[in-house]
Amino acid sequence: SQQGEEDPQALSIQEGENATMNCSYKTSINNLQWYRQNSGRGLVHLILIRSNEREKHSGRLRVTLDTSKKSSSLLITASRAADTASYFCATVNAGNNRKLIWGLGTSLAVNP
Amino acid sequence: GAGVSQSPSNKVTEKGKDVELRCDPISGHTALYWYRQSLGQGLEFLIYFQGNSAPDKSGLPSDRFSAERTGGSVSTLTIQRTQQEDSAVYLCASSLMSGGGEKLFFGSGTQLSVL
Repeated sequence: SQQGEEDPQALSIQEGENATMNCSYKTSINNLQWYRQNSGRGLVHLILIRSNEREKHSGRLRVTLDTSKKSSSLLITASRAADTASYFCATVNAGNNRKLIWGLGTSLAVNP
Repeated sequence: GAGVSQSPSNKVTEKGKDVELRCDPISGHTALYWYRQSLGQGLEFLIYFQGNSAPDKSGLPSDRFSAERTGGSVSTLTIQRTQQEDSAVYLCASSLMSGGGEKLFFGSGTQLSVL
């Protein structure tokens, strides 16, 4: 069964605005990852944050991790139409570092 | 080198027929995953191969589904006696350990339609 839950399920914003997506999980993790999926096909890895990290940046992406609340957020700044995609979080549970547990994703639409 | 390659890209079959889906992982990646994704849904884990270890088949939905990985590289997912509910995108991913975690590289998937 899926562990991660993304929130919101769908998000629609205007180009240039920031987009924030949240992910909650249930058990202790080794790391949490965010992926992007365009047009329902292959996923692309965006960023990995380890359980002992609290924040990580990659270009216009900012990921935070709060292990006490078992949650993570993905912030996309200055969004572009090309950011339109589905975004998934996936966790690697502590003690089981070989299998990712996936959320159901957030569908982001960036309107030009 | 090339990324993860899946074939065919699209497959339309009739109910009851068998289908075989292929995945070529990135060279040197020891772990390989198969996932299934129905329209608008998340990823459903099917099976995981890691080196020479016994595969984790815990996600296979029925005994009509099987997979093998030959020589630690190419993998095939076989669905026997396909049913309409098998229609989905089947995604393959291979992994490279990334600093305490696991980063997956995905293929573009096979869209399976069972009529």
